[in-house]
Amino acid sequence: QQQVKQSPQSLIVQKGGISIINCAYENTAFDYFPWYQQFPGKGPALLIAIRPDVSEKKEGRFTISFNKSAKQFSLHIMDSQPGDSATYFCAALKGGSEKLVFGKGTKLTVNP
Amino acid sequence: DAGVIQSPRHEVTEMGQEVTLRCKPISGHNSLFWYRQTMMRGLELLIYFNNNVPIDDSGMPEDRFSAKMPNASFSTLKIQPSEPRDSAVYFCASSLRGGRAFFGQGTRLTVV
Repeated sequence: QQQVKQSPQSLIVQKGGISIINCAYENTAFDYFPWYQQFPGKGPALLIAIRPDVSEKKEGRFTISFNKSAKQFSLHIMDSQPGDSATYFCAALKGGSEKLVFGKGTKLTVNP
Repeated sequence: DAGVIQSPRHEVTEMGQEVTLRCKPISGHNSLFWYRQTMMRGLELLIYFNNNVPIDDSGMPEDRFSAKMPNASFSTLKIQPSEPRDSAVYFCASSLRGGRAFFGQGTRLTVV
């Protein structure tokens, strides 16, 4: 049972474009939704995170949009750059738990 | 801080051999996680410890896998006997509070 569904599996975007990655969840007990970025040969690194009491969080070119009623959240990368090429994972965490549940990942390629 | 340190970075072993992966978490972090990453299954949580105590090992695939955390600064993941299907990248991560997990560089295990 996949608790966090992520799409698309891969994404190709031109430099300067907007990259959008979507995630959906079923468990309403989740109350923390981080995004991780992973470069080849490296471990995932926390990029940005949101709690369900807000609908949007922005950090630089990265924005999380959160729709509590639809149980969906998405990562938007504005003005995408070749250096953003990486695999992105959404995740979810239940309150009181340490156990992150990850999506399957999206491999983003930004062409110059 | 040097971050989460894993060793070895690469391990090639023959089927049936014992494999031991090592992890040093970030000092002061009280939770430690072992993940396995494959193309097919993505990031899977194998086991996590809180204050050196195993809390959830439901992700450990079978009895061939075992993990220990004898103190706050060291953990091991052992596979005995190893099989080709165990080939994957194994990540250790640590955190101080839920969701903000810091990952090591990973150990790429190849069982031939």
